[in-house]
Amino acid sequence: DTEVTQTPKHLVMGMTNKKSLKCEQHMGHRAMYWYKQKAKKPPELMFVYSYEKLSINESVPSRFSPECPNSSLLNLHLHALQPEDSALYLCASSRTQTGTNEQYFGPGTRLTVT
Amino acid sequence: SQKIEQNSEALNIQEGKTATLTCNYTNYSPAYLQWYRQDPGRGPVFLLLIRENEKEKRKERLKVTFDTTLKQSLFHITASQPADSATYLCALASALAGGTSYGKLTFGQGTILTVHP
Repeated sequence: DTEVTQTPKHLVMGMTNKKSLKCEQHMGHRAMYWYKQKAKKPPELMFVYSYEKLSINESVPSRFSPECPNSSLLNLHLHALQPEDSALYLCASSRTQTGTNEQYFGPGTRLTVT
Repeated sequence: SQKIEQNSEALNIQEGKTATLTCNYTNYSPAYLQWYRQDPGRGPVFLLLIRENEKEKRKERLKVTFDTTLKQSLFHITASQPADSATYLCALASALAGGTSYGKLTFGQGTILTVHP
């Protein structure tokens, strides 16, 4: 199974809502990533978890809160978002957090903040 | 500042021809360069990885070269097909001091390839 799954596929939320994005992989990968992608732009790294510990936070605003409950699951908790946070949110995983390992991406969650 | 440039935003070619995409970088000491394909509304899909001590890598109709002197990678699709139409992204993973690299990929802006029948 080389699949990374993400739920939900689409999410519309108001600026005062709290919601969560979920990502799951069963490849035994020990590194997991959150990326944000705006239209016609490349993915931009937000967070990296390595062995369930937060390894990289790319100065992401605190309204985005990542969580890695176990080695297969990655969540992104959203609170008080702004309209400019509307984007495709991609989860990825790799065997370990080194540049030698390819990353497997999920299909993404299309987030719209109203 | 560090920069990755894919020098064509869009590339249009005829079916059967070879598509050549370019990725240039500045102010990086990359240990590894990766190429991904992304279809609209989908996540990127890994295609090939090439190490800095490798000149060339092949996989089926795909070929990647890596020239650390020119700071450039070329990505070739031979005998292109309409199904190859997609956005192609290069990504760099930089080496840390001590020789290890970590999985912080920085992507180029992508080249939209369209293969016409």
